[in-house]
Amino acid sequence: AQTVTQSQPEMSVQEAETVTLSCTYDTSENNYYLFWYKQPPSRQMILVIRQEAYKQQNATENRFSVNFQKAAKSFSLKISDSQLGDTAMYFCAFMKRRGGADGLTFGKGTHLIIQP
Amino acid sequence: GAVVSQHPSWVICKSGTSVKIECRSLDFQATTMFWYRQFPKQSLMLMATSNEGSKATYEQGVEKDKFLINHASLTLSTLTVTSAHPEDSSFYICSARGGGPNYEQYFGPGTRLTVT
Repeated sequence: AQTVTQSQPEMSVQEAETVTLSCTYDTSENNYYLFWYKQPPSRQMILVIRQEAYKQQNATENRFSVNFQKAAKSFSLKISDSQLGDTAMYFCAFMKRRGGADGLTFGKGTHLIIQP
Repeated sequence: GAVVSQHPSWVICKSGTSVKIECRSLDFQATTMFWYRQFPKQSLMLMATSNEGSKATYEQGVEKDKFLINHASLTLSTLTVTSAHPEDSSFYICSARGGGPNYEQYFGPGTRLTVT
């Protein structure tokens, strides 16, 4: 079984600052996906960014980027130029790359607060 | 594209009754659907995986006789909570996977169940 650990229950930064959310995971799989999801107060899960484990290049989506260290089993999310709308719960998630038959294993989440 | 709906968004039922939650993929065919449960201020926990036309696969610790899942078509999966008790009160979220190469899961907006 795999586990996902997010060690920061809550973080608070000023608007426009850069913030990094940490995530570590444990698995015996070699092929898998990693995700960061955002859950605002509406509770709708929103995909922020996805990383395929076989790709060495770190994924980037506009202001969001990851630092994927496969050997260390680390998958941190960096948010640049943070905005008030980034305030939300952020969940790191793992999925085996097995034909899409598996659900997601989530970390406990980090509550990110962007202060004006 | 890739919209998933859930109905109802909020339901209150009396202890001992059953309640059905629907999950629909509106603009794509979902070969696999997943059901998650989220307690207040906690993470999402995978309950079960359902494939169209076959029996659902339940995660360890999830009572299959209590949480009945039916994936009757490529666009509809239902979760029925039978003989509900107050401890079943939670937020239930479904996700659906299309046939794309990234196996991305698209999440519904969730259903809040309150058992009185």
